[in-house]
Amino acid sequence: GNSVTQMEGPVTLSEEAFLTINCTYTATGYPSLFWYVQYPGEGLQLLLKATKADDKGSNKGFEATYRKETTSFHLEKGSVQVSDSAVYFCALSDRSGYSTLTFGKGTMLLVSP
Amino acid sequence: ETGVTQSPTHLIKTRGQQVTLRCSSQSGHNTVSWYQQALGQGPQFIFQYYREEENGRGNFPPRFSGLQFPNYSSELNVNALELDDSALYLCASSLGTGSNTGELFFGEGSRLTVL
Repeated sequence: GNSVTQMEGPVTLSEEAFLTINCTYTATGYPSLFWYVQYPGEGLQLLLKATKADDKGSNKGFEATYRKETTSFHLEKGSVQVSDSAVYFCALSDRSGYSTLTFGKGTMLLVSP
Repeated sequence: ETGVTQSPTHLIKTRGQQVTLRCSSQSGHNTVSWYQQALGQGPQFIFQYYREEENGRGNFPPRFSGLQFPNYSSELNVNALELDDSALYLCASSLGTGSNTGELFFGEGSRLTVL
């Protein structure tokens, strides 16, 4: 079956530091890949996505590249802000005919001033 | 544009009881999915409803059931509650099925505690 593995948190960084959150996946076929973010007290929000190999998703300074050869979709940001503190979920959607997501366990990011 | 709203936000039940959680989908969305998020875990797919019919189900027992209404709002019912049912239940709406866009719009969730 499908699965997503994320690095465990919390990830603690100072403002303006570089961020990487690792994500690898197992899936049959060619899934679409996503990063969702959950800010404190809010629902999950789509951060970025990539639907085919070598695609790069980007939003709000975050980027992730769909690497089929390494089955990875690592999230990066060059300079984090305190407002980026949240839980980040990597997810995949297979092509079984309905839009369901398989999520990783989430990685908490804490950014201090 | 109205977002996804869920009710209640918090509730406490005892083992063996039944619970109903409610969700209003985002305006214009005809598909509702439910996810269970245990503490420290990622959300797990329970089932999806499209045009009032179940359109896919995850690995959850039959005591988890649902409904979708003509206005696309939805209910999640859980019978014979167990301690392990304690979790955050997330509702997500989307437009259509099989789009594989993965762009689900989530509510803030209903936190269920089973004692």
